[in-house]
Amino acid sequence: AQKITQTQPGMFVQEKEAVTLDCTYDTSDPSYGLFWYKQPSSGEMIFLIYQGSYDQQNATEGRYSLNFQKARKSANLVISASQLGDSAMYFCAMRAPFGKGTKLTVNP
Amino acid sequence: AAGVIQSPRHLIKEKRETATLKCYPIPRHDTVYWYQQGPGQDPQFLISFYEKMQSDKGSIPDRFSAQQFSDYHSELNMSSLELGDSALYFCASSFRGLAGDLSGNTIYFGEGSWLTVV
Repeated sequence: AQKITQTQPGMFVQEKEAVTLDCTYDTSDPSYGLFWYKQPSSGEMIFLIYQGSYDQQNATEGRYSLNFQKARKSANLVISASQLGDSAMYFCAMRAPFGKGTKLTVNP
Repeated sequence: AAGVIQSPRHLIKEKRETATLKCYPIPRHDTVYWYQQGPGQDPQFLISFYEKMQSDKGSIPDRFSAQQFSDYHSELNMSSLELGDSALYFCASSFRGLAGDLSGNTIYFGEGSWLTVV
């Protein structure tokens, strides 16, 4: 079975600063993928970034990067230069289970 | 680019009624997933289909059933609705291909169907 743990129910960050959202996972599969999604208050689920377990480099996508530490089973999302529009719920997920999410609030 | 299409977007039903949600995956995607997200909750995986066959089963109640059709669209049928079934139901799709690799292939979500049971 796979399991995702997000230990930060809420985070606050000042506009233009960087923020790290934590995610740890557990799986017995030798090959797996980790996803981060953003869910604004409007409800849609927006894909942000993907990290494959055998990828040699940490994934990056614009202001989003993934700090992937396979030995520690962590896949933390780093958002650089936070913007007001980044305020949302952020979910770390494998194919089926989602984490409980982290509510990020960006302060002006 | 075409996205995952879900219908209806909003649905209000009474207790004990039946509801059907439809999902049209991104063209050429062969895998469909259904999730249920209650108010203030994280999404819960219900069921998935790969090439029209059930590929994985999560916390789908026995009152619910789903299938994927020959054109790859999927329907989630919910019977004997309860107040607790009120939720946002997401459909998502991905392309797995013949290799059936489960590790990659981004899952793209539809905008969700809001079900309210009164």
